[in-house]
Amino acid sequence: GDSVTQMEGPVTLSEEAFLTINCTYTATGYPSLFWYVQYPGEGLQLLLKATKADDKGSNKGFEATYRKETTSFHLEKGSVQVSDSAVYFCAPRAGSYQLTFGKGTKLSVIP
Amino acid sequence: GAGVSQSPRYKVAKRGQDVALRCDPISGHVSLFWYQQALGQGPEFLTYFQNEAQLDKSGLPSDRFFAERPEGSVSTLKIQRTQQEDSAVYLCASSLSSYTGELFFGEGSRLTVL
Repeated sequence: GDSVTQMEGPVTLSEEAFLTINCTYTATGYPSLFWYVQYPGEGLQLLLKATKADDKGSNKGFEATYRKETTSFHLEKGSVQVSDSAVYFCAPRAGSYQLTFGKGTKLSVIP
Repeated sequence: GAGVSQSPRYKVAKRGQDVALRCDPISGHVSLFWYQQALGQGPEFLTYFQNEAQLDKSGLPSDRFFAERPEGSVSTLKIQRTQQEDSAVYLCASSLSSYTGELFFGEGSRLTVL
């Protein structure tokens, strides 16, 4: 079945540091790829997505590029803020509807 | 409402009790999903509805778990004879259609079975 491997956390960075959270996946067919974020005390929300190879999803300064050849969708941000502290989930969607979530990577940004 | 609403937010049950968790999706959203999130893990798919039809229940862990959406809006996840391993956060999500991929999640119902 489909699976996702995410970089293990927790990740602790200083404000304005560069962030990379690695994500690789296995999926049948040609999946769409998503990053979801869960801020403390809130529900999961979509951060960004990409639906075909070489697409770049971006939002709130975060970016991820769909790399079909390496089956990866790494999340990056050039300068993190304290408000980015959250848990980040990579999730491919193969087939018509079912998302498969990774275990999540907890990010803590310190001032 | 403005978002997906779940109740109760917290539920403590004694082992063997039945529980019911409610989900109010965003108005007009056709698709509704239930996920189970154990501590420190990602959400795992339980079941999927399109309107009132339950199209996929392959993720339900046992026949003690039952979900319904009788009028195509509100959904209830019922767990009978709860066990300690059922302790988790149960997440509900809805979307305009199953093909958009953007799910809108509620804050979840945290179930603790003693």
